[in-house]
Amino acid sequence: AQTVTQSQPEMSVQEAETVTLSCTYDTSESDYYLFWYKQPPSRQMILVIRQEAYKQQNATENRFSVNFQKAAKSFSLKISDSQLGDAAMYFCANYQLIWGAGTKLIIKP
Amino acid sequence: NAGVMQNPRHLVRRRGQEARLRCSPMKGHSHVYWYRQLPEEGLKFMVYLQKENIIDESGMPKERFSAEFPKEGPSILRIQQVVRGDSAAYFCASSHGPTYGYTFGSGTRLTVV
Repeated sequence: AQTVTQSQPEMSVQEAETVTLSCTYDTSESDYYLFWYKQPPSRQMILVIRQEAYKQQNATENRFSVNFQKAAKSFSLKISDSQLGDAAMYFCANYQLIWGAGTKLIIKP
Repeated sequence: NAGVMQNPRHLVRRRGQEARLRCSPMKGHSHVYWYRQLPEEGLKFMVYLQKENIIDESGMPKERFSAEFPKEGPSILRIQQVVRGDSAAYFCASSHGPTYGYTFGSGTRLTVV
């Protein structure tokens, strides 16, 4: 069975610091796509970053980057220079069909 | 293009009534996905549709729930004879295909009283 696990229910970081959110997954597929989404208090789900499993290079979008360890089935999200607007629930998903339970990110001013 | 439009934003139904949730995908997107989210939980996939076809309904309860995406008009998620346990936020998303990032609507919050 395909699973996605986010083991950190809540994380906090000081503004301008760096934080890493963890995600592990299990799949029998050889090719797949992994995603990180952000859900702020407005509840709108927003795509943060997307990683294609067959690509060796870690995806990067401005201050957001992933550490994709295919053998370990790990897909963590690193947020650099954290900003107050980054405060949200963050969800990891496999093909956008299997979702983790989410990590609540708190930014301390 | 205003993105994915869901309506209504809030829907209150009494037990036993029917709930109809509508989703208009982004222009150019022919793939629509419905999810349910309970408080403090992640999204649970319900159904994946492409114009006039149900591609994957593995997350949809077998009874009372149905979905369609007609050739013309929005996608509809229908819940018949609602029960209190159906209370949740229902999100719709659209994309060019399953390997692309999805664009989500703002959700419909269903409350069954």
